This record gives sequence, structure tokens and C-alpha cells, in this order.
Amino acid sequence: GQQVMQIPQYQHVQEGEDFTTYCNSSTTLSNIQWYKQRPGGHPVFLIQLVKSGEVKKQKRLTFQFGEAKKNSSLHITATQTTDVGTYFCAGHKGGDYKLSFGAGTTVTVRA
Amino acid sequence: NAGVTQTPKFQVLKTGQSMTLQCAQDMNHEYMSWYRQDPGMGLRLIHYSVGAGITDQGEVPNGYNVSRSTTEDFPLRLLSAAPSQTSVYFCASSYSGTGRNGYTFGSGTRLTVV
Repeated sequence: GQQVMQIPQYQHVQEGEDFTTYCNSSTTLSNIQWYKQRPGGHPVFLIQLVKSGEVKKQKRLTFQFGEAKKNSSLHITATQTTDVGTYFCAGHKGGDYKLSFGAGTTVTVRA
Repeated sequence: NAGVTQTPKFQVLKTGQSMTLQCAQDMNHEYMSWYRQDPGMGLRLIHYSVGAGITDQGEVPNGYNVSRSTTEDFPLRLLSAAPSQTSVYFCASSYSGTGRNGYTFGSGTRLTVV
């Protein structure tokens, strides 16, 4: 079946530094979505990418979809304490209604 | 408030007991789904529905039943609870099955089976 892998599993970041989390699929995806889950909370939708090579920005967050539509990345610049949480990527395979999630990258921030 | 409502928030069951987790949305979303979240494993799809009267299995359907008699409600039934079903359960909905505008998640049900 479709597998979505995320690395790293944990990311410890100094406040103000940048970091990137990566998402890789074993199959071509029709889209990739990113979610953020705060500790004790529920996943909240951040963004969806659909086109090959697509790049989208939300303030300090930059999302990219790979040319082969099998991988994606989330880059956060100037990390803040508000960025703490777990970031999940998730994707649909073409024509499939099942959204498959990666295991997530849990981010902690040192002030 | 518009969104996805899950009840109960917490539940403790004994092995072998059955129960129903409730999920309701008031956004007129056609697509609804159930996920379970376990440490280090992300969210795994249990069952999903693309509209009233239509349901299908996800990645980990064994031990769970669903039905979708209305657009608003999508209950998840545990037939005979087992300790392996201890988890956090999330219901999610979307305007369409491809989740063009993302999925909206409920606040979750934390289930412990002893």
C-alpha cells in the first residue's frame, strides 16, 4: 500500500534558527497536504500542494512539492516558540479518497 | 460553532465491551473519516465515507464498524474492545474526498481499554 515517510521524527531547534522537515512517498501523489498539531490538540490544516514543483509560502513557512510528485518539504525560518508541535504531511494517490499520513516531525524550541 | 464535534472526549472500557464514538459536522461536508493516532505512527485511516449511505475501509478497519445514514453524522462502533484499541481517535471531514481545502478534524476521543 501507499506509504508516506517523514524525517526527522524529532527536531530540536534553537529559537531563531531555520529547519526543514521532509516527506517521501513510495508512489506518485495527486496532492500533498501539511497539518500542524499542537501538544494535546488535533491536526489543523496548513496547506495543499497539487502541481509538480509547486512552492507556496505562509509567512515564515515554505512548502514545496517535488518534480516527481513523490516528495515534499516544509522549511521554517527564524523558528519561534509558537512553532512547537508536530507537523504531518499527508497525500492522496490519484483517484483515491484515502488520505495517508506520515508519522510526523515533532518540533521543540529552545528559547 | 461550526466544525466537527466528537463525543465523548475521554472513555475507559473493559476488554470485550462495545461502544460507539460519535462524530457530527455542520459544514455540509460530503466526506467524513475516522483515524486513530498512536505514538510514532502518525494517523492511520480506519473507515471513511464519501457521502450518506456510502462507506469504505481504510488502512486498519478490523474491529470497527461505521455507518453513514445522514450527511452530518458518522459514528464509529467498537464491537468488542481490546487493549490494542487504546488510542486517540479523530474524526475528520472535508467538502470533497480529495480534501481540496483540507480536512477539518474534531478534538478527538481518548480511549483506554483495560
